[in-house]
Amino acid sequence: GQQLNQSPQSMFIQEGEDVSMNCTSSSIFNTWLWYKQDPGEGPVLLIALYKAGELTSNGRLTAQFGITRKDSFLNISASIPSDVGIYFCAGNAGGTSYGKLTFGQGTILTVHP
Amino acid sequence: NAGVMQNPRHLVRRRGQEARLRCSPVKGHSHVYWYRQLPEEGLKFMVYLQKENIIDESGMPKERFSAEFPKEGPSILRIQQVVRGDSAAYFCASSPTKVNTPGNEQFFGPGTRLTVL
Repeated sequence: GQQLNQSPQSMFIQEGEDVSMNCTSSSIFNTWLWYKQDPGEGPVLLIALYKAGELTSNGRLTAQFGITRKDSFLNISASIPSDVGIYFCAGNAGGTSYGKLTFGQGTILTVHP
Repeated sequence: NAGVMQNPRHLVRRRGQEARLRCSPVKGHSHVYWYRQLPEEGLKFMVYLQKENIIDESGMPKERFSAEFPKEGPSILRIQQVVRGDSAAYFCASSPTKVNTPGNEQFFGPGTRLTVL
């Protein structure tokens, strides 16, 4: 089945630093999404990407859909304490699986003030 | 402007009992998805439903698990004869129409945490 490898698994950074995380897939995806999950809550959509090569920003967040359609990255600039949480990439392959999102294992982000 | 609502938020069951998890999608959304999350793992797709129809149940265990999304009322995920391995967080998501195009992303509810004693 489809698998997403997300890295790093965890990051400990100082407030103000930039953060980068990425996902790679063994197969092609038509859509890449990035979600953030706080403890005890559901994932919240941050950025959605629909075209290979697409670069999209949402405030301090920037994400890109890789040219090969098998990878994506998320950057957070000038991190702040409320950025703490678990970040997940998710992909959709389309076709007969058009309703199914495949999730990465998550990146746990800790920001020290 | 309510988002996806799930209840109960926490559910405790003993082995062999039934668990019923409810999901009310965003108003106007006719597509519902259920995912399961084990501790320290990503979400795993279970089933995708449209009103009164199961579209994709490829992630649903063949036994004990069932899902429905009736014409009226919430979507229900039902687990019969629960076992300890069913303990997890179950998330529901909804979208207005068929994904995945801009504006038709899946939005998630807060989840139901099921604990099987």
